[in-house]
Amino acid sequence: GAVVSQHPSRVICKSGTSVKIECRSLDFQATTMFWYRQFPKQSLMLMATSNEGSKATYEQGVEKDKFLINHASLTLSTLTVTSAHPEDSSFYICSAMFRQGNEKLFFGSGTQLSVL
Amino acid sequence: RKEVEQDPGPFNVPEGATVAFNCTYSNSASQSFFWYRQDCRKEPKLLMSVYSSGNEDGRFTAQLNRASQYISLLIRDSKLSDSATYLCVVNMGGYQKVTFGTGTKLQVIP
Repeated sequence: GAVVSQHPSRVICKSGTSVKIECRSLDFQATTMFWYRQFPKQSLMLMATSNEGSKATYEQGVEKDKFLINHASLTLSTLTVTSAHPEDSSFYICSAMFRQGNEKLFFGSGTQLSVL
Repeated sequence: RKEVEQDPGPFNVPEGATVAFNCTYSNSASQSFFWYRQDCRKEPKLLMSVYSSGNEDGRFTAQLNRASQYISLLIRDSKLSDSATYLCVVNMGGYQKVTFGTGTKLQVIP
């Protein structure tokens, strides 16, 4: 089955630093990947859609200058949280669409970001 | 109206019980539908796709009603290990948009 690898799984950083999260599709090419954020006891919230070779599409209310997305290859998308603040502490998850017959969405294992 | 709506629960059921969840969607152009399971602080994992004809996988049955724009998930003979949050996912097709419901929490009690 399709595998999506995400790392790091956990990051603790000081306020004001930038954090990069990587999302890789290991055995398939993903022209589109999605980035989500999930606060405790809340649902997944789509932040942005990452398209290979073009700019990401951000959801309303998500600051594109704060959450930088780069999708430079068909197997890698990165999310950089710039100048992180405590309110950015959250669980970040990526996913990629796998197409073999029917479309299916596979997720990375998530990154728990804690900003001190 | 939200694009995808689910009853958040929690549903507390005894072991062995049958439980059903519904999910409604607002966009009639939606093309594919899924149920995902998410355990606490873990990534969602695909439970099953949902087809118009309905589909079954062991104790799990999923159905789609396009006319009424809802999908359902039925779990028979609930196990303690079924305790999780069940997410309804609706895809408009291609890479247009994938929308998640807020999830329904299930707690199976011994």
